[in-house]
Amino acid sequence: QVQLQQWGAGLLKPSETLSLTCAVYGGSFSGYFYTWIRQPPGKGLEWIGEIIHTGSIIYNPSLESRVTISMDTSKDQFSLRLTSVTAADTAIYYCARGMAVGYGYDYWGQGTLVTVSS
Amino acid sequence: QSVLTQPPSASGTPGQRVTISCSGSSSNIGSNNVNWYQQFPGTAPKLLIYGNTHRPSGVPDRFSGSKSGTSGSLAISGLQSEDEADYYCSSWDDSLIAYVFGTGTKVTVL
Repeated sequence: QVQLQQWGAGLLKPSETLSLTCAVYGGSFSGYFYTWIRQPPGKGLEWIGEIIHTGSIIYNPSLESRVTISMDTSKDQFSLRLTSVTAADTAIYYCARGMAVGYGYDYWGQGTLVTVSS
Repeated sequence: QSVLTQPPSASGTPGQRVTISCSGSSSNIGSNNVNWYQQFPGTAPKLLIYGNTHRPSGVPDRFSGSKSGTSGSLAISGLQSEDEADYYCSSWDDSLIAYVFGTGTKVTVL
């Protein structure tokens, strides 16, 4: 059974860098899309970006200047970096796996609450 | 950045059929697939419908999806108490060059 397990710092100060990692267990790492999605407390979902197993990356234009998504195929892991965070970046961050273009995300991590506060 | 519009709430009694709409545009639903997610409080979203109409393994056939023009719909037949959750539609947007989600609908079982 495929499982995604994520980790990273949960409390940041303004201007710091958010860093999260997601490990994929079970199944093949190649052949899928890997994405990061966030959800401010009590609000809706926002797509941050995704990386394809080949290394191609797409970012949400609204965050592109601050976001980096990378992957380590030797460890079946992918990561998110978001620089210069502000209170507006406070959210639950989820990693997820995509089956194919346009077909949604079938496995999700447990979510990490990241709070930005001085 | 919610360019897909959903009703904020929907409700029904056990056994009823509930339908949730997702209104988009030609740059998203009009030219791409619609996917639906179910989310319970404090948990990650779960893929409910993909590719407009397909159910992942394990999703009850009470849940069905459809698409017409620039709108998608999720129907829950034979509503059950465990269906009380938030539901989100999603699609790729060719203009924004981003994956977009709907505003979300809270389903209440009366």
